[in-house]
Amino acid sequence: RKEVEQDPGPFNVPEGATVAFNCTYSNSASQSFFWYRQDCRKEPKLLMSVYSSGNEDGRFTAQLNRASQYISLLIRDSKLSDSATYLCVVPSSSGAGSYQLTFGKGTKLSVIP
Amino acid sequence: GAGVSQTPSNKVTEKGKYVELRCDPISGHTALYWYRQSLGQGPEFLIYFQGTGAADDSGLPNDRFFAVRPEGSVSTLKIQRTERGDSAMYLCASSPLAGPTDTQYFGPGTRLTVL
Repeated sequence: RKEVEQDPGPFNVPEGATVAFNCTYSNSASQSFFWYRQDCRKEPKLLMSVYSSGNEDGRFTAQLNRASQYISLLIRDSKLSDSATYLCVVPSSSGAGSYQLTFGKGTKLSVIP
Repeated sequence: GAGVSQTPSNKVTEKGKYVELRCDPISGHTALYWYRQSLGQGPEFLIYFQGTGAADDSGLPNDRFFAVRPEGSVSTLKIQRTERGDSAMYLCASSPLAGPTDTQYFGPGTRLTVL
C-alpha cells in the first residue's frame, strides 16, 4: 500500500451537494492527520486537523478510522468556492523527534453552478 | 502577521545552469521544510531544518540539491547542473516546532522551469 492514497477524482458536484473524499494510509503508528486545501497554482493551506476519531468545522467533517487506517472528509452544502484540490496529509517520523508531511496526490473537486 | 515568503515566484533557466531559491519563514518559527510538487502530484519532502542545521535531508533526490539556513531564519535551496526533470513547484513551509501536531505553514512557492 502506498503511504497515503487518495481517489484523484475529479469530483464534479452541483452546488448544495454533499461530497465525501476518502484517504488510506499505511503507517499504523500515525497519530495525527490533516486535510489541506490547494487552489490552482497556489500553496497548500490547512483545512482541518484530525487527532482523535474526528473533527467538525462548519460544513466540513473529518473522520478517522484507525482500525482500517482510513480518513474521510465530508463537505456539506457545497459552495462554488469549495472548488479546489484536497490533500490528505500524514506526518511521518524522520527520527530524532522530527516529522515531515507525507501528502496524497490530492482529490480534485469542482462545484458546478 | 507576515506569512512565509519565497522568491522568486517564477524562475526559468536552461539545462545545466545553477539556481538558488529563497525562503523567508514566519518570524520565530524554528522548523523549516522544503517540498517539491510536480504537476498532478502532492508535495514531496526534500529537507528539514531545525534552527541552522539540516536535521533531515533524506528527501533530496541527489547531490545536485543542497540547502542552507546559516542564521536559523532565511533558507536557500540550491540546485546545480539543472535538468529538465527538476522543473516543478518548490514549496517552503515553517512551523513553530517540529512535532506531529504542529501546523506547517506554506509559502506561495517558486515555480522552476528548466528548458
